[in-house]
Amino acid sequence: AQKVTQAQTEISVVEKEDVTLDCVYETRDTTYYLFWYKQPPSGELVFLIRRNSFDEQNEISGRYSWNFQKSTSSFNFTITASQVVDSAVYFCALSPVGEENTGFQKLVFGTGTRLLVSP
Amino acid sequence: ETGVTQTPRHLVMGMTNKKSLKCEQHLGHNAMYWYKQSAKKPLELMFVYSLEERVENNSVPSRFSPECPNSSHLFLHLHTLQPEDSALYLCASSQSRGSNEKLFFGSGTQLSVL
Repeated sequence: AQKVTQAQTEISVVEKEDVTLDCVYETRDTTYYLFWYKQPPSGELVFLIRRNSFDEQNEISGRYSWNFQKSTSSFNFTITASQVVDSAVYFCALSPVGEENTGFQKLVFGTGTRLLVSP
Repeated sequence: ETGVTQTPRHLVMGMTNKKSLKCEQHLGHNAMYWYKQSAKKPLELMFVYSLEERVENNSVPSRFSPECPNSSHLFLHLHTLQPEDSALYLCASSQSRGSNEKLFFGSGTQLSVL
């Protein structure tokens, strides 16, 4: 069975602080994809990053960075110098590659981490 | 970039009412999804349509009835709902190419069942 755990329910930081959102996953598949989505107050989930299980290189995009460690089944997300606009709920998700031929995406989501950045 | 529009944004209904949620995508995608988002629970996949054919039904009660008349439109018909059905209902779309595809979400319909 696939499972994604985001143990941090809510994190509060002050602007300019760095913050890391944890994501731990469980899967028996050897090949899979991991995702992060951001849900601002407006409601729609916005895609942030996709990572293939064979690619363990860390990725940086501006103030965002992701640390993928297959050995610990973790895919953590760090925001550097946080800003008020980063306030949102962040979801980590897992997609088994075995579903490749079904013709659609079957994501398993975590429960999300609410990030509050205050001025 | 959203490209996925949901109406209405908010809906309050009684348990005996019948209502419908609407979703429209302008991205040329072939797969459309309904998700349910409840507090402190992971997003729950309800239904998936791929090329207008329903390909997934995650043990959703029959009081929820989806409809996909074409690849751009998706409906969720609601009838005789229960208070525990109160949640944010999210529509999403993707290209029908499998597990590496990213989903594009609408802003959701916040449903309250009284």
